[in-house]
Amino acid sequence: ELKVEQNPLFLSMQEGKNYTIYCNYSTTSDRLYWYRQDPGKSLESLFVLLSNGAVKQEGRLMASLDTKARLSTLHITAAVHDLSATYFCAVDPAPQLNRDDKIIFGKGTRLHILP
Amino acid sequence: AAGVIQSPRHLIKEKRETATLKCYPIPRHDTVYWYQQGPGQDPQFLISFYEKMQSDKGSIPDRFSAQQFSDYHSELNMSSLELGDSALYFCASSLWGQAGIHEQYFGPGTRLTVT
Repeated sequence: ELKVEQNPLFLSMQEGKNYTIYCNYSTTSDRLYWYRQDPGKSLESLFVLLSNGAVKQEGRLMASLDTKARLSTLHITAAVHDLSATYFCAVDPAPQLNRDDKIIFGKGTRLHILP
Repeated sequence: AAGVIQSPRHLIKEKRETATLKCYPIPRHDTVYWYQQGPGQDPQFLISFYEKMQSDKGSIPDRFSAQQFSDYHSELNMSSLELGDSALYFCASSLWGQAGIHEQYFGPGTRLTVT
């Protein structure tokens, strides 16, 4: 059974600092998703990573995928208060072109950025 | 751009009552997913439908059922409600294709409170 582990689960950091959230998963997959969730709100898609070595950047966030290490990272550069939220990674365990709809979420990283 | 619509947004029910949640996917999306997110938890996959047929099933209790209709909207029916059913229920939709990528777009959620 696929397990997705994120760390840290809680992170409090100062504005202007850099930090990385890690997402490890237990079985082969080449499709990984990062979502952002504000309290009581929906999940907003941030990145879709589809191949080994994929790197995507949007503003102060950059995500990467290493399928051999079964690891994805979400790097935050020069954090600002508006980035405070919970960040989830989610992994699609099915081989491409298989109709298996489950994606398995990590427990989430609750990020609090102090002004 | 059109997003996933869910109704109602908030619902309060008593134990042993029945609830029906509705989901309207993004136009032209062919797959609908239901997730349950308890307080402080990660989203848990319940069930999905592709082209109006159930395509995958997760940790959905037998008291729950769902279907997708000819207009692609979906309904999650929950009976004999228990206190533990209190949660945010998300619907997501995707368009299957592009080499099996099915990036899921989440609706705003229905907050169900069982008293």
